[in-house]
Amino acid sequence: GAGVSQSPSNKVTEKGKDVELRCDPISGHTALYWYRQSLGQGLEFLIYFQGNSAPDKSGLPSDRFSAERTGGSVSTLTIQRTQQEDSAVYLCASSLFAGRSGANVLTFGAGSRLTVL
Amino acid sequence: AQKVTQAQTEISVVEKEDVTLDCVYETRDTTYYLFWYKQPPSGELVFLIRRNSFDEQNEISGRYSWNFQKSTSSFNFTITASQVVDSAVYFCAQLTDKLIFGTGTRLQVFP
Repeated sequence: GAGVSQSPSNKVTEKGKDVELRCDPISGHTALYWYRQSLGQGLEFLIYFQGNSAPDKSGLPSDRFSAERTGGSVSTLTIQRTQQEDSAVYLCASSLFAGRSGANVLTFGAGSRLTVL
Repeated sequence: AQKVTQAQTEISVVEKEDVTLDCVYETRDTTYYLFWYKQPPSGELVFLIRRNSFDEQNEISGRYSWNFQKSTSSFNFTITASQVVDSAVYFCAQLTDKLIFGTGTRLQVFP
């Protein structure tokens, strides 16, 4: 697609439920990133993929969070047994490839706003 | 360790004033990239500029200019003659293996 697509754009869920957030990167982009932005806060790195591999999962807040990417394209971020502190905007970004490169400009999606009641 | 600090949480100016947003970074790497992104009220992050660690030349793009100084590990962003449409949150970021963001500076430009 022309840009990074994320769905759902808004999700309201009850505490304890599982949620899945989807990211469809720009076609041809091999790297995909997930960030979290809590209300009024900066962007917190969660995980990135190069192809289907996740070299760096260091930002995942707990074992309730997981992510996968299949076919080098769509990625799903899953949060199990959601807690109120998980409420945030989850941003996905993609780039041609990961790592240090002058061509590595991340393009961001519009985000998925998660509200845990 | 990789870290980006934006000490200014919020800045308010009146239209046509110049404003500088500060960014200080930390890294042990010799090769890295620095970025500025803008997040308007709509929420979507917009790429503004990228600078690599080997290029300390300042850059000007219209009313925007960037001052990169390795000696002070700073990559400051100046908006000249600010406009109401410049109101947004501005993020500085550093790329080594992953892109790490500062906490952002909220700029409000009043008419």
